[in-house]
Amino acid sequence: GAVVSQHPSWVICKSGTSVKIECRSLDFQATTMFWYRQFPKQSLMLMATSNEGSKATYEQGVEKDKFLINHASLTLSTLTVTSAHPEDSSFYICSAHPPGQGWEKLFFGSGTQLSVL
Amino acid sequence: AQSVAQPEDQVNVAEGNPLTVKCTYSVSGNPYLFWYVQYPNRGLQFLLKYITGDNLVKGSYGFEAEFNKSQTSFHLKKPSALVSDSALYFCAVRDNNQGGKLIFGQGTELSVKP
Repeated sequence: GAVVSQHPSWVICKSGTSVKIECRSLDFQATTMFWYRQFPKQSLMLMATSNEGSKATYEQGVEKDKFLINHASLTLSTLTVTSAHPEDSSFYICSAHPPGQGWEKLFFGSGTQLSVL
Repeated sequence: AQSVAQPEDQVNVAEGNPLTVKCTYSVSGNPYLFWYVQYPNRGLQFLLKYITGDNLVKGSYGFEAEFNKSQTSFHLKKPSALVSDSALYFCAVRDNNQGGKLIFGQGTELSVKP
């Protein structure tokens, strides 16, 4: 089946530094990818929709300048957490669906645990 | 507002016993409901969905879910639990007012003991 690969699986960084997370669709082209954030014991919250070749669409309350999204190719979207602070520590998950299939068949990456010291 | 709730953070079941993971929803219009499972260090995997039709939906790994409109519930069930079913389970509903995006519950950790 379709696979979405996310890297790294975990990262520890110092406060003030930037961290890049990659999301790749391995066997299908994804014009749209989605980025979620998950706090312990809480729901996955959609942060933004990444659109290939155009600007990402951010959900209300998500800082665009804080969470930079780039979808430069049909198989890769990146999320960069800029000037990270401890409150940005969270589990970040990406997802995508093959062309022609909608929300019913989302494939998820394995997630990235970000810890900001 | 569209929402979905999973009232139990954790469910403990003995192997071989039936299991139920609860989910209730609030949505305007017809609900599109989903269950996903997340195994440790893995991405979420689709289990099953309800769009229309029979209230009892069968999915992967022997799981099924029952749509109950009057109770606005979509509980996940399995007649006989396996230790390998231990994982984190998420219920989700399609937000019909926001372009069809998925809204997830907070997740329920299922632990099946031998």
